[in-house]
Amino acid sequence: AQKVTQAQTEISVVEKEDVTLDCVYETRDTTYYLFWYKQPPSGELVFLIRRNSFDEQNEISGRYSWNFQKSTSSFNFTITASQVVDSAVYFCALSEAEGFQKLVFGTGTRLLVSP
Amino acid sequence: DTEVTQTPKHLVMGMTNKKSLKCEQHMGHRAMYWYKQKAKKPPELMFVYSYEKLSINESVPSRFSPECPNSSLLNLHLHALQPEDSALYLCASSQGTGQINSPLHFGNGTRLTVT
Repeated sequence: AQKVTQAQTEISVVEKEDVTLDCVYETRDTTYYLFWYKQPPSGELVFLIRRNSFDEQNEISGRYSWNFQKSTSSFNFTITASQVVDSAVYFCALSEAEGFQKLVFGTGTRLLVSP
Repeated sequence: DTEVTQTPKHLVMGMTNKKSLKCEQHMGHRAMYWYKQKAKKPPELMFVYSYEKLSINESVPSRFSPECPNSSLLNLHLHALQPEDSALYLCASSQGTGQINSPLHFGNGTRLTVT
């Protein structure tokens, strides 16, 4: 069975602070895919990143960076110099290779960035 | 703006009503999804259509009836719903269920209230 755990329910920071959102996953597959989605108050889920299990390279995209460590089954997400517009619920999700279309989401972390 | 369009944005219906949720995408995607999201919970998969055929039904009650008239449209017909069915219903699309590098693109959702 696959499972995604986001232990942080809510995080509050002040603008310009760096913040890391944790994600721990469980799966029996050797091939799987990890995702991060952002859900602003408007409701839609915005795709941020996809990482497959064979690619442990960290990735940076602007103020966003992701740290994938298979040894600890973690796929953490860091926002550098946070902004008010970063306020949203962030979901980590897992998909196994065979059931790729079946995303399993973590419970989400609500990030509040205050001015 | 999201490339997956859902209508209506809000819907209030009684338990004896029949209503439909609509979803449209023009990205040429061949897989379409319905997810249900209760308040402060992660999205949960309901149905997947692949090339206009129902591929996955996650044991959803028959009062929810999906329909995929063509590759761009996805409907969710609702009948005899219960108050606990009140939720945000999200539609998503992806290039194709066989393309494992294809992330989901979500719409803004329909916020459904059953009275």
